[in-house]
Amino acid sequence: QSALTQPASVSGSPGQSITVSCTGTGSDVGSESLVSWYQHHPGKAPKLMIYEGSKRPSGVSNRFSGSKSGNTASLTISGLQAEDEADYYCYSYAGSGFWVFGGGTRLTVL
Amino acid sequence: QVQLVQSGAEVKEPGASVKVSCKASGYTFNGYYIHWVRQAPGQGLEWMGWINPDSGATKYAQKFQGWVTMTRDTSITTVYMELSRLRSDDTAVYYCARIPRGKYYFDYWGQGTLVTVSS
Repeated sequence: QSALTQPASVSGSPGQSITVSCTGTGSDVGSESLVSWYQHHPGKAPKLMIYEGSKRPSGVSNRFSGSKSGNTASLTISGLQAEDEADYYCYSYAGSGFWVFGGGTRLTVL
Repeated sequence: QVQLVQSGAEVKEPGASVKVSCKASGYTFNGYYIHWVRQAPGQGLEWMGWINPDSGATKYAQKFQGWVTMTRDTSITTVYMELSRLRSDDTAVYYCARIPRGKYYFDYWGQGTLVTVSS
């Protein structure tokens, strides 16, 4: 149950697009479209942004999108805004009742 | 409305145990698994395990096996996470979160409980 691999940090200017990757194995990220993404501001509970790889919950901006290729899932944020600055985590079912988070990515809006 | 309300902050000495509660309301308690997640200072989110409130079945991350116990009391729609033999690096915010049955994402979270382990 190793943590999924995410870049430690990404940054972008307002209005730009950024992509956060989440790399696992064929047993977790690569097995099915079961990856979810969470936005986490310090001191607050994480917020679901994407589920089942590419679906957006009601109320989440369509600037957020998810995709997957092989063992790597990706979160793309377009039209960056200052309030997008946060930590982002991927999360995946890993089989046999086990789950695993990514290491987290700090997004800085320049 | 759906709520997961956790117990308050705790300060424990090394070697002690801590039991954090997560009171569920606003939905059918037995219909959603409850997972526990923690975040140590400066670290990422870490999955600890889950409990099925219906059956009481549990699954713990390998790291926490033999060390964490998750239970539930259906009469008061509350789940508990007890961590024993605390060490200083167990200092963290502990969250409960629910996953709808048959789904693979958290839709609601508790507010978090800070557990500080210090002598």
